[in-house]
Amino acid sequence: QKEVEQDPGPLSVPEGAIVSLNCTYSNSAFQYFMWYRQYSRKGPELLMYTYSSGNKEDGRFTAQVDKSSKYISLFIRDSQPSDSATYLCAMGGYNTDKLIFGTGTRLQVFP
Amino acid sequence: DSGVTQTPKHLITATGQRVTLRCSPRSGDLSVYWYQQSLDQGLQFLIQYYNGEERAKGNILERFSAQQFPDLHSELNLSSLELGDSALYFCASSVGNWGTGELFFGEGSRLTVL
Repeated sequence: QKEVEQDPGPLSVPEGAIVSLNCTYSNSAFQYFMWYRQYSRKGPELLMYTYSSGNKEDGRFTAQVDKSSKYISLFIRDSQPSDSATYLCAMGGYNTDKLIFGTGTRLQVFP
Repeated sequence: DSGVTQTPKHLITATGQRVTLRCSPRSGDLSVYWYQQSLDQGLQFLIQYYNGEERAKGNILERFSAQQFPDLHSELNLSSLELGDSALYFCASSVGNWGTGELFFGEGSRLTVL
């Protein structure tokens, strides 16, 4: 079993839709949870960063962490074609020596 | 622009050959990370250097090696190349250890082994 599981998609939604992207993990030592966005032919860039459980909102993006279920989510409201990209979850903890990435979910938002 | 520079952007070579990928981190960043990205495996951590010292090691093959120089740039050496080594290789940097959360990625070096 992989430490981090993420549905690769692709996920195709119309402009304006609410998008939900998810990851599950197995290592209960993870405390830092991140979402990176990767456009085609580019490197990943940090989108959201949360520590421990709870929600964090930034504009149209909301990151949610449920440590009891080992489940994290990224919600995108009013999705735009410019949101079309691959979204990678990433996580780590004090007792882990590296950041573990999910395989990424490819999102396509069509006009 | 993340401030991380990787060269070359594209590289085509034959099996059995050796290549070197180069990375210049953002100004002021002490940590450099190397990741391999392939379609079926996602982003796989290879190795991290912090201020010239190896800090963490991931699934890096023995045929691969890396180093970080005094000017903080890093090189990833891939030898005895196999078809399966074809992938995107990313370098990332951060001020300290990854625990701050934000890694700044370069645009990657696409390696094709024929």
